[in-house]
Amino acid sequence: KQEVTQIPAALSVPEGENLVLNCSFTDSAIYNLQWFRQDPGKGLTSLLLIQSSQREQTSGRLNASLDKSSGRSTLYIAASQPGDSATYLCGSQGGSEKLVFGKGTKLTVNP
Amino acid sequence: ETGVTQTPRHLVMGMTNKKSLKCEQHLGHNAMYWYKQSAKKPLELMFVYNFKEQTENNSVPSRFSPECPNSSHLFLHLHTLQPEDSALYLCASSPHPGAYNSPLHFGNGTRLTVT
Repeated sequence: KQEVTQIPAALSVPEGENLVLNCSFTDSAIYNLQWFRQDPGKGLTSLLLIQSSQREQTSGRLNASLDKSSGRSTLYIAASQPGDSATYLCGSQGGSEKLVFGKGTKLTVNP
Repeated sequence: ETGVTQTPRHLVMGMTNKKSLKCEQHLGHNAMYWYKQSAKKPLELMFVYNFKEQTENNSVPSRFSPECPNSSHLFLHLHTLQPEDSALYLCASSPHPGAYNSPLHFGNGTRLTVT
């Protein structure tokens, strides 16, 4: 059974700092790894999807990497801004087609 | 605007009430999902529908009854709920369950409180 862990559970940084969020998964037989952002009281917004054959994906200030062999993915946020404050969730999609999520990392970027 | 609309946004119901949550997607997708998000727990998949047919029931209690009349609409009928069922219920859609190169699209959820 796939288990997804996100560390840290919460992170507070000053504006402008570069930061890394971590996601680990126990079963490397995945089709993709997805990163989402969730604002308070809202649904999830897709940020990046990395297919199993890919190593990384980039969108603006965001870069996500995937290392299947070690069961790890990272989300790198460059030059963080207060508007980046949110909870970031990763989910892995495997052979059962289910997307299994971690508990998320709550990010606060202080002005 | 996410393309997936959920109503109502908030719902308070007693344990003996019957209510329904509604989800509608305007993305032309064929797969729809119900997820439950409780405090300090990962999102839990409840049901998956593909072309109106239920393909996944993740051991959900029978007090939750899904209905998918067509590929654009999904309902979750609720009856005799328990206080521990209080959570954010999220609807999502995708082109089809095996669309591994397409992310899930989520609605903004219904915040359910059972008193």
